[in-house]
Amino acid sequence: AQTVTQSQPEMSVQEAETVTLSCTYDTSESDYYLFWYKQPPSRQMILVIRQEAYKQQNATENRFSVNFQKAAKSFSLKISDSQLGDAAMYFCAYRSVEYGNKLVFGAGTILRVKS
Amino acid sequence: EPEVTQTPSHQVTQMGQEVILRCVPISNHLYFYWYRQILGQKVEFLVSFYNNEISEKSEIFDDQFSVERPDGSNFTLKIRSTKLEDSAMYFCASSELRSNQPQHFGDGTRLSIL
Repeated sequence: AQTVTQSQPEMSVQEAETVTLSCTYDTSESDYYLFWYKQPPSRQMILVIRQEAYKQQNATENRFSVNFQKAAKSFSLKISDSQLGDAAMYFCAYRSVEYGNKLVFGAGTILRVKS
Repeated sequence: EPEVTQTPSHQVTQMGQEVILRCVPISNHLYFYWYRQILGQKVEFLVSFYNNEISEKSEIFDDQFSVERPDGSNFTLKIRSTKLEDSAMYFCASSELRSNQPQHFGDGTRLSIL
């Protein structure tokens, strides 16, 4: 079974600075999808960014980018120019290509942004 | 932008009672999901639903749980006889048929069992 590990329960960043959230996963599959979801205090789960494992190029969405290291099974999220609105719980998630569509989530990292 | 909507936002129920959580997925989506998040814990998959039947379910999704798509728009999760440990946030999600498309989540229903 696939597992997702987020080793940082909590992170802090100064406004306008850059922060990196870590995620590692375990799988025997060669093709899969990886996601970062954001959950602000309002509770809604918002998709931040996604990566397809067969693509070597790291995904980027505005201030959000990932560092996908397939051999190391690592999928970190970098937030540049952090804003107060980035404060939230961030979940890393895995989805198989072959075996069902369910998302397997990590435990989450609380990101605090200091002004 | 279309979104997944869930009702109610908060449900308080006595232990042993039945509860139905409702979701309206995005209209052109064909896969539907329920996830659960117990306070302070990770989000856990419960069930996925496609073509009017369950396509996958977790060990959590036992006989007290059921899902239904009663009409063309709603997707419901029923818990037959609630227990204290069912207290959690329940998220509905939907996605397009193509496997590379992400799941879109609703705001969740907070279920409190007394």
